[in-house]
Amino acid sequence: DTGVSQDPRHKITKRGQNVTFRCDPISEHNRLYWYRQTLGQGPEFLTYFQNEAQLEKSRLLSDRFSAERPKGSFSTLEIQRTEQGDSAMYLCASSPREGALLEQYFGPGTRLTVT
Amino acid sequence: ELKVEQNPLFLSMQEGKNYTIYCNYSTTSDRLYWYRQDPGKSLESLFVLLSNGAVKQEGRLMASLDTKARLSTLHITAAVHDLSATYFCAVDSSYGGSQGNLIFGKGTKLSVKP
Repeated sequence: DTGVSQDPRHKITKRGQNVTFRCDPISEHNRLYWYRQTLGQGPEFLTYFQNEAQLEKSRLLSDRFSAERPKGSFSTLEIQRTEQGDSAMYLCASSPREGALLEQYFGPGTRLTVT
Repeated sequence: ELKVEQNPLFLSMQEGKNYTIYCNYSTTSDRLYWYRQDPGKSLESLFVLLSNGAVKQEGRLMASLDTKARLSTLHITAAVHDLSATYFCAVDSSYGGSQGNLIFGKGTKLSVKP
C-alpha cells in the first residue's frame, strides 16, 4: 500500500471559482479526516467520515464547503465561490476504526492558492 | 473547548545539545500524538501516547505524557541537523469516545545548527 494520496497537489484558482479536491485513503482504513493548515499554524480539523457517513463537521466548515465519501472509499472536498481566505494546505488523513491508537496517517496535501 | 499550547514556538539548537519541547492541553484527553513536518511536506507520525506515565523513544527523540498535569514533553538528545523540522503535538478531542478528531498545537520550529 502506498499510503494516503491526494489530488491535485497544487491548485491555483481565481476568487469566486469552485474547486474540488480528492483524497484516497489507505485501503483498509474506514475513517477519513480533512484538515486545513495555514502558514505557520497547526492543522485545523474540518470534518471526518466513518465509512460513507459524515459524522462530524467543524464550525470552520462554512456552507461553501462540502465533503463526500461515496461508498466509503475516496473522498472529495469541494469549495464553492472561493475566497482569498481559503488559501491554505488541505490535508487528508485516514485511520483504522479499531485499535486503541487510532493513529492518523496524513497524505501529502493539496495546496490551494486563491488569487 | 480543548486548547493545545506548545512552547517554545521557535528553537535554535546547536548540534550535540539537549532540549525539551512542552505541550500543555486544557481538558482531559485519551490520546496525545507527536508529529513531524518538514517544509512543504505533510505530517509524519512520531509517537502516540495513551496513558499516564507513558514514555516512548525513537532514536534521539523521547516523548512522555503526564495526564494529571495535562502535559507532554518531547525531549531531544544530542541534536543533529537532520532533526530540523517543525514538531506538532495533537490531542484527541473526544475523551471517552473514539472520533479521533485531533486538536493541534501551533508547532515548534526546530533548527539545529552545527
